[in-house]
Amino acid sequence: GAVVSQHPSRVICKSGTSVKIECRSLDFQATTMFWYRQFPKQSLMLMATSNEGSKATYEQGVEKDKFLINHASLTLSTLTVTSAHPEDSSFYICSALGQGWMGTQYFGPGTRLTVL
Amino acid sequence: KQEVTQIPAALSVPEGENLVLNCSFTDSAIYNLQWFRQDPGKGLTSLLLIQSSQREQTSGRLNASLDKSSGRSTLYIAASQPGDSATYLCAVVNYGGSQGNLIFGKGTKLSVKP
Repeated sequence: GAVVSQHPSRVICKSGTSVKIECRSLDFQATTMFWYRQFPKQSLMLMATSNEGSKATYEQGVEKDKFLINHASLTLSTLTVTSAHPEDSSFYICSALGQGWMGTQYFGPGTRLTVL
Repeated sequence: KQEVTQIPAALSVPEGENLVLNCSFTDSAIYNLQWFRQDPGKGLTSLLLIQSSQREQTSGRLNASLDKSSGRSTLYIAASQPGDSATYLCAVVNYGGSQGNLIFGKGTKLSVKP
């Protein structure tokens, strides 16, 4: 089956620093990847849609200058949380779309970000 | 605006019971509906995907049904096992939504006791 990896799985950083999270599709090419955020006991909320070779599309209320997304290849998308603050602490999950946009999304294992 | 609701929020059953998880959505114009499993602190595992033209999908002990006109889906788990304990999420892709944007419910946390 299709596998999506995320790195790191867990990161703790100081307030004001930047953190980069990688999302990789290991055995398939993904022209579209999604970044979600999940707060405790809440549902996953889409942050942005990442398309290979073009700018990401951000959902309303998500600051594009704070959450930088780069999708430089068909197997890698990165999310950089710039100038992180404690309220950015959350579980960040990526997914990759397989076989056309109505196909199944394959999810990564998630990254737990804690900002002190 | 599409809203997805899952009832109950939590469910505890003894091992061996058959159970039903419910999902409802406010806008019936969807492309598909998907059920996922999420273990604590982990990512999501896709369980079943039902296209809008389908009524149900089955995989092993799992059966998911879709009634698009009424905005409802159910996930039926037969002969539950302690290993089924997890949070089950329902999500839809809207017709005309941006590139497969999944809209999630808050999930049902299932605990199956030995």
